[in-house]
Amino acid sequence: AQRVTQPEKLLSVFKGAPVELKCNYSYSGSPELFWYVQYSRQRLQLLLRHISRESIKGFTADLNKGETSFHLKKPFAQEEDSAMYYCALKGYTDKLIFGTGTRLQVFP
Amino acid sequence: DAGVIQSPRHEVTEMGQEVTLRCKPISGHNSLFWYRQTMMRGLELLIYFNNNVPIDDSGMPEDRFSAKMPNASFSTLKIQPSEPRDSAVYFCASSPTAWEKLFFGSGTQLSVL
Repeated sequence: AQRVTQPEKLLSVFKGAPVELKCNYSYSGSPELFWYVQYSRQRLQLLLRHISRESIKGFTADLNKGETSFHLKKPFAQEEDSAMYYCALKGYTDKLIFGTGTRLQVFP
Repeated sequence: DAGVIQSPRHEVTEMGQEVTLRCKPISGHNSLFWYRQTMMRGLELLIYFNNNVPIDDSGMPEDRFSAKMPNASFSTLKIQPSEPRDSAVYFCASSPTAWEKLFFGSGTQLSVL
């Protein structure tokens, strides 16, 4: 089975607080995982991918094969981080499978 | 480059009517995806084309849905007949390869009354 689970529909934090958006996956092969973000009135866009091991806008995500997780983290949230975040898995036949998404609200 | 272009931006129709959504991918991209976004289910892949050929249509809900890609610069998603439960935002995305970075269109907000 290939599946992406984002258990939280909504995550609310205050500015400056740490953020962790959870993502768990189910996949029998070697996973390739991504985080996509959709800011208000903007298109859905790639935030980061695990193979790049990069930090984008202060966000990082580490693939944990033991826990089958790919949580997105940022040590200090900013108001402009408020958006819809989707975790995605490259599945069989090379298609991207998305989770149900988590809305992050950062209050001032 | 205007990116992936979808039309119309909004569509309101009555149950039973045919709906056609259109997509123009980024020039040079070999893969095209149709996704549906709802509050309950998030982003669901409906169908995926590679070099204009449908590769995986396992996400197409039922026979009422059909998609075509007659050439590298155009794709359609058709719903006939439409039902209220089809109301959602439909996204088209393209990519240089199947799994590399996806570029999304602005989406079509479909409301079936």
